[in-house]
This record gives sequence, C-alpha cells and structure tokens, in this order.
Amino acid sequence: DTEVTQTPKHLVMGMTNKKSLKCEQHMGHRAMYWYKQKAKKPPELMFVYSYEKLSINESVPSRFSPECPNSSLLNLHLHALQPEDSALYLCASSQDRVGDTQYFGPGTRLTVL
Amino acid sequence: ELKVEQNPLFLSMQEGKNYTIYCNYSTTSDRLYWYRQDPGKSLESLFVLLSNGAVKQEGRLMASLDTKARLSTLHITAAVHDLSATYFCAVVPSGGSQGNLIFGKGTKLSVKP
Repeated sequence: DTEVTQTPKHLVMGMTNKKSLKCEQHMGHRAMYWYKQKAKKPPELMFVYSYEKLSINESVPSRFSPECPNSSLLNLHLHALQPEDSALYLCASSQDRVGDTQYFGPGTRLTVL
Repeated sequence: ELKVEQNPLFLSMQEGKNYTIYCNYSTTSDRLYWYRQDPGKSLESLFVLLSNGAVKQEGRLMASLDTKARLSTLHITAAVHDLSATYFCAVVPSGGSQGNLIFGKGTKLSVKP
C-alpha cells in the first residue's frame, strides 16, 4: 500500500468555525508533513512530524494546529482562519531518513468564507 | 538560503516534439526530485536523483543531474497529450533538516495535437 489518504476532499468554513483535516498512511513511514499550496504556486512546507514529534514548524500562524496521534495519523486543526488561508492542503509521508521521497496525498481543498 | 529556479515556467509543445525543462539550484544539495501535478490533483513522484551524473528514465521522460553545475534537466521525448501537467523540481539542501524540500515554481507543460 503506497497511498496517503486525506479527508475531507473539500471543506468550506467560516472564519469563526473550527474544523480538522485528517491524513493517514499505512506504509510504516515515520515522517509526516503538512503543505499549503496556493493556486499556480509550489507547495510550501508548514509542519514536519518525525516519530510522532513535531520537528519543523515553518513559522505557521497559531490558527493552524497540527497533531500526530500515532505514527499513521496526522491532523491539522483549524480555527479562526482568514480568507487568505484558502488553498489546497497536502499531506505527505516518508521513511524516517532525511530527504527520503515524500509521497503526497490527494489534498483537501479548503475555502474560507 | 537555497533557491530553486525552473525554466521555462510555461511550455507549449506540439505532439511528437522534444523539449527540456531546466532546474537550477543555488547551493549544494543531497538529492533532487521531480514531481508531476495534474490540475487540482496531488503531486506524483517521478524521479529521485542522488548523485552527480545520475540519469533516470521512465517512458518519454528522462531526468539527469549535474551536481557540479547545480543543474537538473527533465527531457521530454516525442511528447504526447497525456504529458500535459505541471512539473516541479524539488531539492533537499545539504545538511538540511528533515523534510526541508525546496520546490521550484513549476513548469506548466501543455502538449497540443
């Protein structure tokens, strides 16, 4: 199984809502990532979890809160988002070594009204 | 700070023609990746290049790496419509922390009959 799954596929939320994005992989990977991708732009790294511990936080606003409940799951909790946060949110995973190929999920298309 | 530059950013080709996409990066790198992204979809890993002179081929695509010139190329042979997509190169800087993939801006390829 070389698949990373993400739910939901699409999400529309208001600026006062609280929602969560979910990501799951069953490849035994020990590193998981959240990226944000705006239209016609490359992905931008947000967070990296390594062995279920947060290892990189690329100065992301606190309205985005990651969580790694176990080695297969990664969540991104959203609260008080702004319209400019609308984007495609991609999850990826890789084996535990630096620079291993990252496998991306299908993404969640988020729209903030 | 590592910078990754791709050119061209837009490429319109006729079916059956050959062309090359270039990826330059500004500092030493441990490895280089090529990804494909279809509109509204996730990123698909195409190639990982690990050492100077590395060459990999899959179908009509061939990627190469020259670490001395800090240059990778993605060569397209006898293009077909199915190759229409955006192609990203991504680089892990030497000694970089886990997950620190730096993406180029992407090359949007359109193959026309």
